[in-house]
Amino acid sequence: KNQVEQSPQSLIILEGKNCTLQCNYTVSPFSNLRWYKQDTGRGPVSLTIMTFSENTKSNGRYTATLDADTKQSSLHITASQLSDSASYICVVSAYRSGAGSYQLTFGKGTKLSVIP
Amino acid sequence: DGGITQSPKYLFRKEGQNVTLSCEQNLNHDAMYWYRQDPGQGLRLIYYSQIVNDFQKGDIAEGYSVSREKKESFPLTVTSAQKNPTAFYLCASSPLLEPTSTDTQYFGPGTRLTVL
Repeated sequence: KNQVEQSPQSLIILEGKNCTLQCNYTVSPFSNLRWYKQDTGRGPVSLTIMTFSENTKSNGRYTATLDADTKQSSLHITASQLSDSASYICVVSAYRSGAGSYQLTFGKGTKLSVIP
Repeated sequence: DGGITQSPKYLFRKEGQNVTLSCEQNLNHDAMYWYRQDPGQGLRLIYYSQIVNDFQKGDIAEGYSVSREKKESFPLTVTSAQKNPTAFYLCASSPLLEPTSTDTQYFGPGTRLTVL
């Protein structure tokens, strides 16, 4: 069964500090991995998308890494701001060759709180 | 939230009543999706549609129905058969049915449905 596990479940950090969120997956066959940011009561917004051949991708202060061998990804946030307070969702896409389609498996998210 | 709108933002209904959630997009995307989000859980796919007048069940379609009469619109009806309808509902769209490594899903702002 395809699964995506995120850790920690929640995290509190001081403004200006860095943090790293983790995502482990058992999705197969792997197609790509996405990180989304979801503000409370809003829809998710895409931060990065990485394929099998990509090890790292940045979007401003957000840097995602991918180790396809160990099936792990991380999202590093640099110099955190109050506006970074949100849930961060890891999503892994698998290609189902029999159906010729992709399946998305969503993690439960990490709730980040940045405090002054 | 891109070019996807959902209405209303908050919806209250009495138990046993059907209710329809609206989703409209002006991104000219072929594919549209409905997800349900519950506290502490990842997003779960309810229905998806590739083209007009075509839609497929997702992982948790029981108690829900959809229609796709126009490319821009993909309304979701929560019927009285849905045992636990109180949740946050998210609509999304993407250029193609199955997100590829270069595409991503764009989410609407969501509708929070509370059944009393």
